[in-house]
Amino acid sequence: NAGVTQTPKFRVLKTGQSMTLLCAQDMNHEYMYWYRQDPGMGLRLIHYSVGEGTTAKGEVPDGYNVSRLKKQNFLLGLESAAPSQTSVYFCASLAGQGNQPQHFGDGTRLSIL
Amino acid sequence: DAKTTQPPSMDCAEGRAANLPCNHSTISGNEYVYWYRQIHSQGPQYIIHGLKNNETNEMASLIITEDRKSSTLILPHATLRDTAVYYCIVRRGQNFVFGPGTRLSVLP
Repeated sequence: NAGVTQTPKFRVLKTGQSMTLLCAQDMNHEYMYWYRQDPGMGLRLIHYSVGEGTTAKGEVPDGYNVSRLKKQNFLLGLESAAPSQTSVYFCASLAGQGNQPQHFGDGTRLSIL
Repeated sequence: DAKTTQPPSMDCAEGRAANLPCNHSTISGNEYVYWYRQIHSQGPQYIIHGLKNNETNEMASLIITEDRKSSTLILPHATLRDTAVYYCIVRRGQNFVFGPGTRLSVLP
């Protein structure tokens, strides 16, 4: 059971570089989310999607873009990485109906030098 | 979003019950309470959720007060592997808001 898969698991970037983080889920979930977690803090919502082709801003969206071209995939992009974006990034998915919990990936550790 | 308040840290002796409290005084009538935990920097792991009745599964029990303004997560026989940060979340629609949680340390 794959669940939610995030790639890559680790990455080091230089300031100004760009990259895309991929999240894939195989549970046919409608909703998908991107969070960041900084040391000693809870998760903060960056962007989310309520369905294929839709995206919305969360609590800390600046400096990030997202796309949901396919229902199973949710991409998080950094166009020009900054040291303040050094963090652990988590993706989650959620069924569109009922009160089921979110399912999380194992995270991507991103360091911006 | 409905705000939750948890103590920043707690200790528990191995083999004893761990009781983790959470206040959610602004919760609305149809909002569920969810508990997750995070071990080291792994992805949050779902534990249990409930609306107003007490709930139990193989991992834990959830006790929600009658007025629904607070709840308690109970780990009946804590082990060293239960050392983690525990998050209490009130779900509003499709939004789950994570606070800083409670860091539970299970001591040998």
